[in-house]
Amino acid sequence: EAQVTQNPRYLITVTGKKLTVTCSQNMNHEYMSWYRQDPGLGLRQIYYSMNVEVTDKGDVPEGYKVSRKEKRNFPLILESPSPNQTSLYFCASTTSGGAREQFFGPGTRLTVL
Amino acid sequence: QKEVEQNSGPLSVPEGAIASLNCTYSDRGSQSFFWYRQYSGKSPELIMSIYSNGDKEDGRFTAQLNKASQYVSLLIRDSQPSDSATYLCAVPGYSSASKIIFGSGTRLSIRP
Repeated sequence: EAQVTQNPRYLITVTGKKLTVTCSQNMNHEYMSWYRQDPGLGLRQIYYSMNVEVTDKGDVPEGYKVSRKEKRNFPLILESPSPNQTSLYFCASTTSGGAREQFFGPGTRLTVL
Repeated sequence: QKEVEQNSGPLSVPEGAIASLNCTYSDRGSQSFFWYRQYSGKSPELIMSIYSNGDKEDGRFTAQLNKASQYVSLLIRDSQPSDSATYLCAVPGYSSASKIIFGSGTRLSIRP
């Protein structure tokens, strides 16, 4: 089954404690993205990746890091989380060519105390 | 001006009626347009894509694109309670197709 998986699904942490949210896709897509979703602000792109070792900033990259060492994985790293990073996070995998249709993971609800 | 704008709603439509959702975008070079449905607490799900001016129909859904006026709409015929969700319009950027801009979404409520 074609899918995007994220872990963990829920996470409560404290300010400053480094964390990683994993994302994996089995569709062999080159493009992957991370979004955060906040009430009233919609989906905002944090980072995206066009292929292995190729990443670029989205609209709200501050406080986040990503890496793309393998095609299937695109982890999101918060080196020093702060309360304003409390949000719902989605990883997405995107078809290539002209389509750019995105398939989303189930989401990770992060709370930073 | 936001790059992709949608009326946030809520839009309330009686069951069986047509729901009409609208989206405007600012990048004249955009070539592809998408509608996603998102149920509360769930991830967005692609329901329609459209690339050419005119209408594209898929079951009860019709997407309409007018590039000259820079708007794309989604019509849902014979609305069902299961259509109650937030609908997101998404437009890839022309300069960087990997950067996809989402509207803030329109909340649709189908009343029995």
